[in-house]
Amino acid sequence: AQRVTQPEKLLSVFKGAPVELKCNYSYSGSPELFWYVQYSRQRLQLLLRHISRESIKGFTADLNKGETSFHLKKPFAQEEDSAMYYCALSPHIIQGAQKLVFGQGTRLTINP
Amino acid sequence: EAGVTQFPSHSVIEKGQTVTLRCDPISGHDNLYWYRRVMGKEIKFLLHFVKESKQDESGMPNNRFLAERTGGTYSTLKVQPAELEDSGVYFCASSQPENTIYFGEGSWLTVV
Repeated sequence: AQRVTQPEKLLSVFKGAPVELKCNYSYSGSPELFWYVQYSRQRLQLLLRHISRESIKGFTADLNKGETSFHLKKPFAQEEDSAMYYCALSPHIIQGAQKLVFGQGTRLTINP
Repeated sequence: EAGVTQFPSHSVIEKGQTVTLRCDPISGHDNLYWYRRVMGKEIKFLLHFVKESKQDESGMPNNRFLAERTGGTYSTLKVQPAELEDSGVYFCASSQPENTIYFGEGSWLTVV
């Protein structure tokens, strides 16, 4: 079965502190992993995907196949990082499409 | 460039009534998806269109839900008759093949 688990529903850190949002997945094949973010009053948007290996807004995520994890990290949190974060996987691509399986999300609050 | 637009943004209907949600994807996007998040649950895939064809409707909860995409442009999702458990946020998304999925702001449905 395909599943994404985000163990923390809420995470609160102080500005300038490191942030790590945990994500574990279960899938028998080689999925594509994503982090999506939803800022207050905005739509869900892609933050990063593991195949691109980019750092977006200071965030990085490394796919660890041995631990089946895709944790999101940022060394120094900023207040504008406060948002809802969703980890997602795409188990396969059909005709170039992605069928996303989402975790329940983690609400990150950065305290001043 | 206009993003994915959804209408209505909010809807409150009585149990047993019918509601039709509309989604206008980004122009030129062949892939169109519907997802929903019911209270306390994760965002779940409902179905996927490639142009006007249903590619995958494995996530549709039951036959009270009907999605169409006539002409391969906008899509509608009809719930008839609506039940209390249908309350939630319905997201539409679109993409070009193998590219980023863009989400709409969602249609909030409350069934009372």
